[in-house]
Amino acid sequence: DAGITQSPRHKVTETGTPVTLRCHQTENHRYMYWYRQDPGHGLRLIHYSYGVKDTDKGEVSDGYSVSRSKTEDFLLTLESATSSQTSVYFCAMSRTDYNEQFFGPGTRLTVL
Amino acid sequence: EDQVTQSPEALRLQEGESSSLNCSYTVSGLRGLFWYRQDPGKGPEFLFTLYSAGEEKEKERLKATLTKKESFLHITAPKPEDSATYLCAGHSGGGADGLTFGKGTHLIIQP
Repeated sequence: DAGITQSPRHKVTETGTPVTLRCHQTENHRYMYWYRQDPGHGLRLIHYSYGVKDTDKGEVSDGYSVSRSKTEDFLLTLESATSSQTSVYFCAMSRTDYNEQFFGPGTRLTVL
Repeated sequence: EDQVTQSPEALRLQEGESSSLNCSYTVSGLRGLFWYRQDPGKGPEFLFTLYSAGEEKEKERLKATLTKKESFLHITAPKPEDSATYLCAGHSGGGADGLTFGKGTHLIIQP
């Protein structure tokens, strides 16, 4: 979706290093989400936000933290990256918690 | 536990050969059933939302339908550009249990 971007698009890092992924939206949507997508699994929710400074855990939140200081930005942080966190990460947004979600282009993260 | 199961996992069709993709769900208090298209290396692209059994939505060669236990994505006279992975997701309400995704159907349309 043109109204939501992610950075970086690709990243290679080493085990034990901190990593922050950024999601930026220009639609003023209240809800934002972080998912990961792995072969053999559907998209799985990591964390979500229902407003500025309001966040909660999803299905696979261990090892991840998030922050949302502005409506348009939602950050995902891996405090100490592990090889099991090698994945494609997608950010999404929605107007309400029951409307369709619109996804960003994804970030491919490789942890060596 | 909420579950969404898609079948088949992969489907290869000839151009013009119509077919259907299945999404069966066990989502408590379903508040919406979503279909997405995903091309390689890209994020999922929203296609349809269905809210109640009997509802149907159409877009070009695609039509989505919903019953109390499953949803179908019908593809009529597909073209090679319809090749993609199609994802289904159920929504049981807000918050952490919001969207449960299936693993997708990888569709290939051969010219």
